[in-house]
Amino acid sequence: QKEVEQDPGPLSVPEGAIVSLNCTYSNSAFQYFMWYRQYSRKGPELLMYTYSSGNKEDGRFTAQVDKSSKYISLFIRDSQPSDSATYLCAMSYNNNDMRFGAGTRLTVKP
Amino acid sequence: DAGVIQSPRHEVTEMGQEVTLRCKPISGHDYLFWYRQTMMRGLELLIYFNNNVPIDDSGMPEDRFSAKMPNASFSTLKIQPSEPRDSAVYFCASSLGQGWGSGANVLTFGAGSRLTVL
Repeated sequence: QKEVEQDPGPLSVPEGAIVSLNCTYSNSAFQYFMWYRQYSRKGPELLMYTYSSGNKEDGRFTAQVDKSSKYISLFIRDSQPSDSATYLCAMSYNNNDMRFGAGTRLTVKP
Repeated sequence: DAGVIQSPRHEVTEMGQEVTLRCKPISGHDYLFWYRQTMMRGLELLIYFNNNVPIDDSGMPEDRFSAKMPNASFSTLKIQPSEPRDSAVYFCASSLGQGWGSGANVLTFGAGSRLTVL
């Protein structure tokens, strides 16, 4: 079993839809949770960061962490074509050794 | 700052050849990471350095892979001999690092080196 599981998709939604992206993990020691966005032929860029459990909101993006269920989510409201990218969850127990999910490829159609 | 700079961007080589990938981290960043990305396995951590010292190389797949960081502004990942299964995009990333606590350890990735081994 992989430490971090993420459905690779692909996921296709119409513009304006709410997008839900999820990851599960097996290592209960993880306490740093991140979402990275990766455009085609580019390196990943940090999108959201959460320490321990709880929710965090940044504009149209909301990150949720449920440590009891070992489950994290990223919600995108009012999705835009420019949100089309691969979204990778990442987590760590020590804030240095990051373990990434496989990434979910998202397409937002105009 | 120009960000994390990787070279070459693309490399096509034949099985058995030596491959050297290079990385220049962001000035002032104490941590440097090498990742490999494939469709099958996603983004895998190979090795990371703190202040030029290798901290964890448990992700290096086998002895054919080696990484060095001779100074704060340069690192190499070498594959010798290369095999077709090494074909992947290799990313270098650097960060200020944040140890324990609630601060974010933001990894800044380079554009990647796409390796094809025939």
